[in-house]
This record gives sequence, structure tokens and C-alpha cells, in this order.
Amino acid sequence: GQNIDQPTEMTATEGAIVQINCTYQTSGFNGLFWYQQHAGEAPTFLSYNVLDGLEEKGRFSSFLSRSKGYSYLLLKELQMKDSASYLCAVRDRAYNTDKLIFGTGTRLQVFP
Amino acid sequence: ETGVTQSPTHLIKTRGQQVTLRCSSQSGHNTVSWYQQALGQGPQFIFQYYREEENGRGNFPPRFSGLQFPNYSSELNVNALELDDSALYLCASSQWGADTQYFGPGTRLTVL
Repeated sequence: GQNIDQPTEMTATEGAIVQINCTYQTSGFNGLFWYQQHAGEAPTFLSYNVLDGLEEKGRFSSFLSRSKGYSYLLLKELQMKDSASYLCAVRDRAYNTDKLIFGTGTRLQVFP
Repeated sequence: ETGVTQSPTHLIKTRGQQVTLRCSSQSGHNTVSWYQQALGQGPQFIFQYYREEENGRGNFPPRFSGLQFPNYSSELNVNALELDDSALYLCASSQWGADTQYFGPGTRLTVL
């Protein structure tokens, strides 16, 4: 089966740090993506982890542990514009298809 | 801006009707994937096209069908529309084998 879990909602204060967790159990795994999605808009790419460890890109960092089926997205120095949904997605390349399996998304609200 | 375009932006249909959604992929991309995103949910994989052939399908009934054209643009067709088909339909383009899929802005379909 395919199961990707992430919290439904989180709140944080401007300037703070927030960590959004994602756990997964999927039949195939070829990497894990994080996307940001503002209401009514398309998902935009944030990060891609294939190997274990931390990837840092500006204010955003993403971590992966394949043995634990676990990832997190870390957002530092939060800004109001970071209020959005954050989607965790597992890449599955089984049966010669290259598809993304998404969690339900975490809606982050940043308050002044 | 990802260079992926979709039309129309919004669409209202009634139950039992048929609909065609269109996607133009980013220049140089030969693979298009379609996703359905219901309100408050993550995107769900419908199917993928590579070089004009269906290259994998998610858990969607046969009334969801598609095409890819020689210029790699794509169509999603849905027959016998049901109320539950109301959703944001996203297409994502990529170069086969590359890591990242780039999403278009989506088509918001409402079925009454």
C-alpha cells in the first residue's frame, strides 16, 4: 500500500523556525520531494532528497532518513508569504512510470 | 513561472457531460503527467504520457482518458462527469528521467 502522513495544519510566528514532518510507507521509493502550494495555485518545487541527510537551500532545508521512512522540511526566518500548504511527495518509478505520490499537505499559517 | 500552461482556467459542467482539458508542456519536455487534486487533499496521479503513449495509470476509471500530441502537449478527457470529479486538475511536464516535474497552474473543474 501507499501511505504518506503529514500534519494537517501548523501555525508559527513571523521570524520563527518551523519543522514539518512527513512519514511514508510506499511500495516503491526513488526520492522524496517537497512542494509549496499557495491557495488556488500550482505546486512549486522546493527540494528533492534521494540520499539520507540534510539538504540546505537558503531559508529552507530538507532531511531524509530512508531507513526510518521519514523526512522533514525546515523553514527558518519565517515570513508572511510562507503561509501556504506544503506537500510531501514520494517519487515512484515502478513499472516504468515516473509518478509522484502525495501526502494530503500541511497548511502552514504564519502570524505577525 | 514554469512554462507549463493549462486551459481553461475554470470550467463548470453538469453531471453526465464530457470535458476536455489541455496542457502545453515546457519546451524540451517529452513527458506529461496528470493529477487530480480535490479540495483539502494532495494531488492524485491519474496517468502519464511519454512520446504519445500512455506510460502508467493511477486508480482512475476508464472514463478518464488522455492523449499526447507530437509537440508533447496533452489532453485529459473525462466522460460521464460525476459530482466527485469536481477538483483542480494539474498537469506536470518533465524530461523523461529528469528529477523534477514542473506543474502548470491547473484547471478548476466544478460539476453541478
